[in-house]
Amino acid sequence: DAKTTQPPSMDCAEGRAANLPCNHSTISGNEYVYWYRQIHSQGPQYIIHGLKNNETNEMASLIITEDRKSSTLILPHATLRDTAVYYCIVAGNTGKLIFGQGTTLQVKP
Amino acid sequence: DTAVSQTPKYLVTQMGNDKSIKCEQNLGHDTMYWYKQDSKKFLKIMFSYNNKELIINETVPNRFSPKSPDKAHLNLHINSLELGDSAVYFCASSQDRGSWDYGYTFGSGTRLTVV
Repeated sequence: DAKTTQPPSMDCAEGRAANLPCNHSTISGNEYVYWYRQIHSQGPQYIIHGLKNNETNEMASLIITEDRKSSTLILPHATLRDTAVYYCIVAGNTGKLIFGQGTTLQVKP
Repeated sequence: DTAVSQTPKYLVTQMGNDKSIKCEQNLGHDTMYWYKQDSKKFLKIMFSYNNKELIINETVPNRFSPKSPDKAHLNLHINSLELGDSAVYFCASSQDRGSWDYGYTFGSGTRLTVV
């Protein structure tokens, strides 16, 4: 079973920041938080991951709370092409990503 | 250049047939995976190979048999296909088991329809 909880759906206006929350209250000390997205029937795409510190790359920012029990993925300027299902995943070194239901983000013009 | 390629993209077949899906990655990764996405869109891991060694084998019917001839290839053979096998099958690869740095790279999927 997935170890994360995400809202099933969210809307965001084009050009605005999309903030996607994720709860992972049972995360272990050696587990990372990963974010992937799946755009309509394509293969899932890696976005970002982190352990404790906040992370930023060209796609997004990841904010992890100090207690590591929750995190937020931030897409700074959402576009219509960011409409997708976003998965928050907690995983250790087993090499096994367990996908939950994810959050369907709809970016609207 | 496609990083993780799967063939075929679509596969329609009758119940009882045997079919194979092929996957190849040109990323130099050590670990490859098969995931199944059913009609409800849940993605579930099936198998994982690391350098040709099976390391993850989830509760999957033994009609499904993965084969890894080398670390760049992971094929999925399915015997005696059933209606419930209809799904999208995704292949993925990662640098290492935990894939700390770059995550998994997924293929574009094979949509299997059993009629």
